[in-house]
Amino acid sequence: DIQMTQTPSSMPASLGERVTISCRASQGISNFLNWYQQKPDGTIKPLIYYTSNLQSGVPSRFSGSGSGTDYSLTISSLEPEDFAMYYCQQYDSSPWTFGGGTKLELK
Amino acid sequence: QVNLLQSGAALVKPGASVKLSCKASGYTFTDYYIHWVKQSHGKSLEWIGYINPNSVYTNYNEKFKSKATLTVDKSTNTAYMELSRLTSEDSATYYCTSGFVYWGQGTLVTVSS
Repeated sequence: DIQMTQTPSSMPASLGERVTISCRASQGISNFLNWYQQKPDGTIKPLIYYTSNLQSGVPSRFSGSGSGTDYSLTISSLEPEDFAMYYCQQYDSSPWTFGGGTKLELK
Repeated sequence: QVNLLQSGAALVKPGASVKLSCKASGYTFTDYYIHWVKQSHGKSLEWIGYINPNSVYTNYNEKFKSKATLTVDKSTNTAYMELSRLTSEDSATYYCTSGFVYWGQGTLVTVSS
């Protein structure tokens, strides 16, 4: 199975700040990488698919990049609603696997 | 508007089975594979498997092959996941998702005597 390592596991940040979350795969995943946001009530929202493509309705302050084994999610200027958990997920090979998550907290 | 409506929380006894449902609306049911994902309390997400609603072909994570059974009812646009021989390790929230694009609200399963 492909292991997905997300860093950091938690990140205190301020409103308006630019933040980047990293995700490293244990082997190359050919850009087959999604990002999700999960709110405390459990609601899961897809943000980005295939490394860098925004899902419909996702604000442009979110962006994704990467290749090979290393990927990242960047939020250019934090809004109050962005403080949540974030997960990466590879879908290059079965079983699809998720990172351990990053908790974005208000500093 | 796309919606995946999952069945309500379940309290089940160890050793029993439970069948969760996921009713899709607002899109063509056969356009997306239905995946199921497990989230234990405070933990990350685990992919259980998927079913192709058109062909009913299934693909399971090896870890869940003897635990989960995925089915669909195309007449009602509903996907099901049955979990068998439940233990405390199966206590978790289970999500269905259409192609990882649309997500249900999750179903909390608690295994307790």
